[in-house]
Amino acid sequence: EIVLTQSPATLSLSPGERATLSCRASQSVSSYLAWYQQKPGQVPRLLIFDSSHRATGIPARFSGSGSGTDFTLTISSLEPEDFAVYYCQQRRNWPPATFGGGTKVEFK
Amino acid sequence: EVRLVESGGGLGQPRGSLRLACAASGFTFTNFAMTWVRQAPGKGLEWVSSINYGGGSTFYADSVKGRFTISRDNSKNMVYLQMNSLRAEDTAVYHCVKEGYCGGGRCYLDYWGQGTLVTVSS
Repeated sequence: EIVLTQSPATLSLSPGERATLSCRASQSVSSYLAWYQQKPGQVPRLLIFDSSHRATGIPARFSGSGSGTDFTLTISSLEPEDFAVYYCQQRRNWPPATFGGGTKVEFK
Repeated sequence: EVRLVESGGGLGQPRGSLRLACAASGFTFTNFAMTWVRQAPGKGLEWVSSINYGGGSTFYADSVKGRFTISRDNSKNMVYLQMNSLRAEDTAVYHCVKEGYCGGGRCYLDYWGQGTLVTVSS
């Protein structure tokens, strides 16, 4: 089973700042990695698929990069609505289609 | 508009059974695989099970294998999760999820239902 480790667990930032979230896989997942955003009381939303492709309607301030075992989600300039929990998920070797433990982006 | 509406959650007894259902609309159901993802209270996301578009291939997390069964009825646009031998650690919100953005044989989770809460307790 591929284990995804997200860091940091919590990121304390202010609106307008740049957020950099990491997801590391225990073995290569090629580029088969997605990022999801979950706001309190809401269901997760797909942001990025195949490591770097934005899903429909996702603002350009969200970008993904990486391949193999190391991946990054970058939010170039945080908007108030971006404070949420972010999860990565791999689909390279499944089942199981594992998720990372999540990174919470909170107000500083 | 894609809609996924889950039902069937509630209080289940340890070692008991529950059957979750998901009614799908707003897309060509027969073209897409479907997945169940759960989230325990205050915890992260856990992939539970997936079924391919035709229903002939099913996949399970080790934590539910042998206890849960996923199925679909393409004539009714429905997905089901039969949950047997329930355990306290199965307590979670269960989301029905449509797969999309497929490429290279891999798909991602593009539409999520609001979920149904399953609580396993005596």
